[in-house]
Amino acid sequence: DVKVTQSSRYLVKRTGEKVFLECVQDMDHENMFWYRQDPGLGLRLIYFSYDVKMKEKGDIPEGYSVSREKKERFSLILESASTNQTSMYLCASSTKSVDRAIEETQYFGPGTRLLVL
Amino acid sequence: GQNIDQPTEMTATEGAIVQINCTYQTSGFNGLFWYQQHAGEAPTFLSYNVLDGLEEKGRFSSFLSRSKGYSYLLLKELQMKDSASYLCAVRDSRSGGYNKLIFGAGTRLAVHP
Repeated sequence: DVKVTQSSRYLVKRTGEKVFLECVQDMDHENMFWYRQDPGLGLRLIYFSYDVKMKEKGDIPEGYSVSREKKERFSLILESASTNQTSMYLCASSTKSVDRAIEETQYFGPGTRLLVL
Repeated sequence: GQNIDQPTEMTATEGAIVQINCTYQTSGFNGLFWYQQHAGEAPTFLSYNVLDGLEEKGRFSSFLSRSKGYSYLLLKELQMKDSASYLCAVRDSRSGGYNKLIFGAGTRLAVHP
């Protein structure tokens, strides 16, 4: 079974704080993703990584950065948290496949619900 | 542009059948996924379609029509535990050589006794 874990289920931070969200997967997946999920908006991609030390911006990267120093770990960083970053953050991972899209099924962690005051 | 539409909420009765529709507009379609998400939990994979037609997996089936930009998820013999949000996601192969998923906002299904 694929297991994706996130460091915290709930976090409360103050405006301006630096926030680290950690994600670890144990299936040797090449691809890792960070999303945020807000009511009525669905999941929106913040950043993704297709290899160690590699990162690509998603649809809403502003105010975020990421780090992938090891294959199994993908960190999301909020440099200076703001109230509009209050959200549910979901990490996902998948294998990389050239031919078969089904093999790129994304497996999600349990999510971190972040409240910025 | 990219757009995925699905109903916000649906209700159904235990034991019944419900169909959740999803329409999409993307430039580089390369597959459609359905995920189930219970409140406060992670989305879990349900089904995948890349060719037209119906894919059946137990009580759940998923249909795709690429020419119409349309998919549906069919849930049979509904159980109370099927109360959840159902997320439609399209794989977009256009984005800089990488495939990424574009998610709809999700359909919240409530199953009543």
